[in-house]
Amino acid sequence: AQSVAQPEDQVNVAEGNPLTVKCTYSVSGNPYLFWYVQYPNRGLQFLLKYITGDNLVKGSYGFEAEFNKSQTSFHLKKPSALVSDSALYFCAVRGGNNAGNMLTFGGGTRLMVKP
Amino acid sequence: GAVVSQHPSRVICKSGTSVKIECRSLDFQATTMFWYRQFPKQSLMLMATSNEGSKATYEQGVEKDKFLINHASLTLSTLTVTSAHPEDSSFYICSAAGTSYGEQYFGPGTRLTVT
Repeated sequence: AQSVAQPEDQVNVAEGNPLTVKCTYSVSGNPYLFWYVQYPNRGLQFLLKYITGDNLVKGSYGFEAEFNKSQTSFHLKKPSALVSDSALYFCAVRGGNNAGNMLTFGGGTRLMVKP
Repeated sequence: GAVVSQHPSRVICKSGTSVKIECRSLDFQATTMFWYRQFPKQSLMLMATSNEGSKATYEQGVEKDKFLINHASLTLSTLTVTSAHPEDSSFYICSAAGTSYGEQYFGPGTRLTVT
C-alpha cells in the first residue's frame, strides 16, 4: 500500500524568507509525486510533479520540489515566501508501473506567511 | 487547459432529501474521475473511482447505495447523496484524470450542508 506523510500540521515563515514543506512517501515501484495547494473553500490546484528525470522540479508560483530517492522525500520549497502563499498544501503519490491513477494524499500542511 | 467544474458550489438541503453534484471536464475527455470528501482541516478522503461506462469502485466504508455515482460520458460524472443526513455535510471534491502519468485535475468543490 502506498502512503504519504506530511509531518508538520503547520509551517510559519516570515515574508521574504525561504520556506520548506516536508513530505515523505512509501510506494511500490517508481513513484509519481505531486504537490497541490488549496485555498479556503476551493478545490486543489496543481503546483508541480515528479515523474522522472531531474530530481529538482520547478512548478507554479515559484515553487520547486526536490525528489530524494534514498530518503523517500519530496519536500516543497520556495526561496522567498509571499503572504499570498498562505494556504493548505498537499503532497500526493501514486505508484508507477501501471499502478492506476489513484492518488494517495498526505494529511496536509498549513503554511502561514506573516508580513 | 485541463479545467474541471463542479455544480453547485454550495447547497443546503433538508434531511431525507437527495442532492446531485455534477463534475465536468471542460476541455478534455476523462475516462476516470474521482470523488473525494474533505472534513474541516483534514485531508481528502477518496470515496470512489468512476470510470466512464462502468460501475464506480467504492472505497471501503463508503456506502454505494447512499452515494450514487454515474459516469455516463467522458466529460461528466455525477454524485448523488441520497436521503441526506446532517453527518453527510461536508466538502465534496471531484477530480478528473488526465493522460499525463495520472495527474488529476480538481474541481472547485461543493459544500453540502444538510439541516
